[in-house]
Amino acid sequence: EAQVTQNPRYLITVTGKKLTVTCSQNMNHEYMSWYRQDPGLGLRQIYYSMNVEVTDKGDVPEGYKVSRKEKRNFPLILESPSPNQTSLYFCASSLWGQLNSPLHFGNGTRLTVT
Amino acid sequence: AQKVTQAQTEISVVEKEDVTLDCVYETRDTTYYLFWYKQPPSGELVFLIRRNSFDEQNEISGRYSWNFQKSTSSFNFTITASQVVDSAVYFCALSERGSQGNLIFGKGTKLSVKP
Repeated sequence: EAQVTQNPRYLITVTGKKLTVTCSQNMNHEYMSWYRQDPGLGLRQIYYSMNVEVTDKGDVPEGYKVSRKEKRNFPLILESPSPNQTSLYFCASSLWGQLNSPLHFGNGTRLTVT
Repeated sequence: AQKVTQAQTEISVVEKEDVTLDCVYETRDTTYYLFWYKQPPSGELVFLIRRNSFDEQNEISGRYSWNFQKSTSSFNFTITASQVVDSAVYFCALSERGSQGNLIFGKGTKLSVKP
C-alpha cells in the first residue's frame, strides 16, 4: 500500500531533550516536506526536500533540523525542544516538487513538550 | 498578507442539508493550482481535489462539487445532502509557480454534521 509513515504518533517529552520524528514513504517520491499544524494557524511548512541531499527552509524552520540521506526517509530533528514546539506534525511527499503534484500526508505526530 | 482565506471557522448543519465551504485566494501568478483536503476527527489529511488555474470548469464527484471562479479568486466546495461522516476540518490550499511544491493552506473550516 502506498503510504507515508510517521513515527511515533504521540510523543510527550521535556524541554531540551533531543528527539527525532521519523518519516518514510514507499512511493519513490522525489519531494518530501514537514508541516506543523496549530489551532487557528492552519498548516505551515517547516522544511522541504526536493531530492536526496537537497533540503531547504520553509516558513517556520527555527528550532528544527532535517536530513535527506535516502530518498524514502526524511526525519525531523528537534535538538532542544521547547514548549512552543508543542504541535501536530505532518510529513508529506509528492512525486515532484511541482505545483501540480498533490501532497500525500502521513497520519501525523502529536508532540507535547513540557 | 494571507494568501488563502477560509472565512468560515466553523459550520454546523443537520444531516441532509447542503453546505458550501468558501475559499478565497490571492496570487499574482497566472499559473497556479488549488487544492482541497479533508481532515476527519482521526487526524489524517486526505486529498480531495486539485484544480489548475486554466481550468474553470466546475467539478462534481458524487455529493461533492467545486466551483472555481477566477474573477472572484474563489474556489468553493459544496457538499450536497451532507452526512455525519462528512464532519471534518476542510482545508483549501494554493500552490504557486516557484513555490517548490509548498502548499499554502487556509486556516480550515470545521464542519459538524448532526444527525
